[in-house]
Amino acid sequence: AQSVAQPEDQVNVAEGNPLTVKCTYSVSGNPYLFWYVQYPNRGLQFLLKYITGDNLVKGSYGFEAEFNKSQTSFHLKKPSALVSDSALYFCAVRDPRGSNYKLTFGKGTLLTVNP
Amino acid sequence: DAGITQSPRYKITETGRQVTLMCHQTWSHSYMFWYRQDLGHGLRLIYYSAAADITDKGEVPDGYVVSRSKTENFPLTLESATRSQTSVYFCASTQWMAGAYNEQFFGPGTRLTVL
Repeated sequence: AQSVAQPEDQVNVAEGNPLTVKCTYSVSGNPYLFWYVQYPNRGLQFLLKYITGDNLVKGSYGFEAEFNKSQTSFHLKKPSALVSDSALYFCAVRDPRGSNYKLTFGKGTLLTVNP
Repeated sequence: DAGITQSPRYKITETGRQVTLMCHQTWSHSYMFWYRQDLGHGLRLIYYSAAADITDKGEVPDGYVVSRSKTENFPLTLESATRSQTSVYFCASTQWMAGAYNEQFFGPGTRLTVL
């Protein structure tokens, strides 16, 4: 069974500082990994995905994520945080060996960027 | 409007009543999904569909019914609403492409309150 963990319910960072939102996963094979962002009273928006290839994936709004197979992690990063980055972030995983196409989401991490 | 829409955006109902949440997408995506979002649980999959007339249970299907007579629509029905079904419901869609996996696109959500 596939699963994903976001070990931090909340992350606080000062504007201009680098940010990291952590995600670890568990699947039987090589995973497909995703990051989504949710702003208040909105649906989830896709940020980036890792399917195969380069371990460093670049996405929307200056975000990037690093796939680390040995640590089964896919942490979301940004070099310089903005107040507007404050939102709820979800990591998701799919086992590509499965016959279904379901994503399993983490519980989310609330990012607060302080001015 | 292009994209994925949900209606109603807000709904208050009483225990025991039947409620139907609508989801419509204009991309002709094959796959559609229903999730519920609850504090502390993240997003949990209720039902999903690979194509018209093909549906399957997700993680938390009890108390819900879906249908998909047309590719673009995927209604979710609560047959007899309970207070535990108070939640925010999200519909999503994606299109499978050979050798790849596209991200899911989410609707704006329906906030349902069961009194």
